[in-house]
Amino acid sequence: SAVISQKPSRDICQRGTSLTIQCQVDSQVTMMFWYRQQPGQSLTLIATANQGSEATYESGFVIDKFPISRPNLTFSTLTVSNMSPEDSSIYLCSVSGGASNTQYFGPGTRLTVL
Amino acid sequence: GDSVTQMEGPVTLSEEAFLTINCTYTATGYPSLFWYVQYPGEGLQLLLKATKADDKGSNKGFEATYRKETTSFHLEKGSVQVSDSAVYFCALSDAADGGGYNKLIFGAGTRLAVHP
Repeated sequence: SAVISQKPSRDICQRGTSLTIQCQVDSQVTMMFWYRQQPGQSLTLIATANQGSEATYESGFVIDKFPISRPNLTFSTLTVSNMSPEDSSIYLCSVSGGASNTQYFGPGTRLTVL
Repeated sequence: GDSVTQMEGPVTLSEEAFLTINCTYTATGYPSLFWYVQYPGEGLQLLLKATKADDKGSNKGFEATYRKETTSFHLEKGSVQVSDSAVYFCALSDAADGGGYNKLIFGAGTRLAVHP
């Protein structure tokens, strides 16, 4: 499986600021996804990061709040904008590719908003 | 829409006990089914998967069988260890629900604590 890294691994941010999270894969992948895991909760898909076009957002998530970039087949960023304490979560990227529909996850970014 | 239901935790067991974590699903198509594990402070790791009915996924002593007739994918292990303490997530991927791409839908997660 692909090796996936995320930066930063954790951060503490102030209300009203923005944070950009990076996801890097060691091989080209077809699909990249961003998930949110709120404290003690399961994972919820935020959006699918599409290479060369706008991301596809799930219900309840909007581009203004969670802008996503995917400039190539190995890299994506998720920005959490105008943060509030409710944005405190673990943010995970995942990848899949080829004929397999299996998703592999990065280590996550633990975000705390004060 | 598609959904996954897991048994509520926490599940507390003694070392070498038998483990079952129940998972049932609803899906519009023919989903693939997964178990992921999240160890404390870490991301998700794929534990096992099954892509069609009657398939059995297995890894590290864990097993789960894709039962279409009961729409279930229960996770089992014959003898748990302290190192198995983690949160276990059942998930499905159904290309028929969500525009054709392999969106993952997760259950709520079940926390397992194994004591010596």
